[in-house]
Amino acid sequence: AAGVIQSPRHLIKEKRETATLKCYPIPRHDTVYWYQQGPGQDPQFLISFYEKMQSDKGSIPDRFSAQQFSDYHSELNMSSLELGDSALYFCASSRNEETQYFGPGTRLLVL
Amino acid sequence: DAKTTQPPSMDCAEGRAANLPCNHSTISGNEYVYWYRQIHSQGPQYIIHGLKNNETNEMASLIITEDRKSSTLILPHATLRDTAVYYCIVRVGNSGGGADGLTFGKGTHLIIQP
Repeated sequence: AAGVIQSPRHLIKEKRETATLKCYPIPRHDTVYWYQQGPGQDPQFLISFYEKMQSDKGSIPDRFSAQQFSDYHSELNMSSLELGDSALYFCASSRNEETQYFGPGTRLLVL
Repeated sequence: DAKTTQPPSMDCAEGRAANLPCNHSTISGNEYVYWYRQIHSQGPQYIIHGLKNNETNEMASLIITEDRKSSTLILPHATLRDTAVYYCIVRVGNSGGGADGLTFGKGTHLIIQP
């Protein structure tokens, strides 16, 4: 079965640079969620979108923004990167706000 | 804050049943119990969920107490590949709570011993 696709899988950036992470949900899923997992931490919810509208907001820094496009894929934009932004970023998708299925994640390293 | 409490770690012998407990004493009537697991640095994997009845699928069984204040995830025949952190999460289910993010607690680190 098709799964959530995330790209890139690995990303290295310098401090103060910008990064864009992409998420392609499971076909026919209309809801996307973003999570951040720091080293040794549990996943933390950032933001979600349902039918291209922001639905729920968690602990997302003001330097981060996200959107969902007409084909339901989503992008997480991260600006003025800090060392503390180094983490795994997971995207999950669901259909009609039901069970969330997670992608493999993007590992971001900020130097 | 997470609305669930789980033991931080458990061991289980390979081939035996692994029983992972979870307390959710403040669960609301419209909240489901979900279980996910995360194998080192991989994306969390959905296992099973339920409202009040016991549930079973190809991966596991979920036993929810009658008062819904606790539950147990059962892996019937644990293998080494079941070593992971298991998260018990409560959330408003299907089309009732909006696209709410999941609140992950500390989870249980299950170690399957050969």
